[in-house]
Amino acid sequence: DAKTTQPPSMDCAEGRAANLPCNHSTISGNEYVYWYRQIHSQGPQYIIHGLKNNETNEMASLIITEDRKSSTLILPHATLRDTAVYYCIVRSDRGSTLGRLYFGRGTQLTVWP
Amino acid sequence: DTEVTQTPKHLVMGMTNKKSLKCEQHMGHRAMYWYKQKAKKPPELMFVYSYEKLSINESVPSRFSPECPNSSLLNLHLHALQPEDSALYLCASSSRTGTGSPLHFGNGTRLTVT
Repeated sequence: DAKTTQPPSMDCAEGRAANLPCNHSTISGNEYVYWYRQIHSQGPQYIIHGLKNNETNEMASLIITEDRKSSTLILPHATLRDTAVYYCIVRSDRGSTLGRLYFGRGTQLTVWP
Repeated sequence: DTEVTQTPKHLVMGMTNKKSLKCEQHMGHRAMYWYKQKAKKPPELMFVYSYEKLSINESVPSRFSPECPNSSLLNLHLHALQPEDSALYLCASSSRTGTGSPLHFGNGTRLTVT
């Protein structure tokens, strides 16, 4: 599976946009980029995923570069409740990796009042 | 609130006990997963079921025994655990195992082995 690189921590002021970067330079053509977050003592929460095009839903936007080697998760108006660990995951369907979703270390986002 | 329900929320067991963790979803999903998460670490995949059949076992010790009685239920039977098995055990489901199907997680069972 393609590996991902994320900064270990980031801060953001409440009400401002939070832009979380992720590098996945070894991504293959059939691999999706997924974003999850985990608030303390809860299960991971699905945020968004994409293959090539930018995606937007009610929670966030996902911007994938044209070469697909990196992506950015954007929370347009961060709130205190967005404080969490954010995981960027590249998911493959190749051979023995079918069905596997591997988590990296993620980025601890702290939103300040 | 999540659409994947795990019980119990907390469990304390001795090393000689036998206990089971339960997971239930009613989203019609046909793939179900068990993950283990130690403190301050990311979740680690343990098992994957696809259409009620075990498709992936990530070399998990036999003291952990998964079971999928039907498409809505997933159990994890525990026997002769060690203190280092103390962790948050997470269940997830997806409509299928393909890359375009997001996993939906429960809030986990926090297990303490004494």
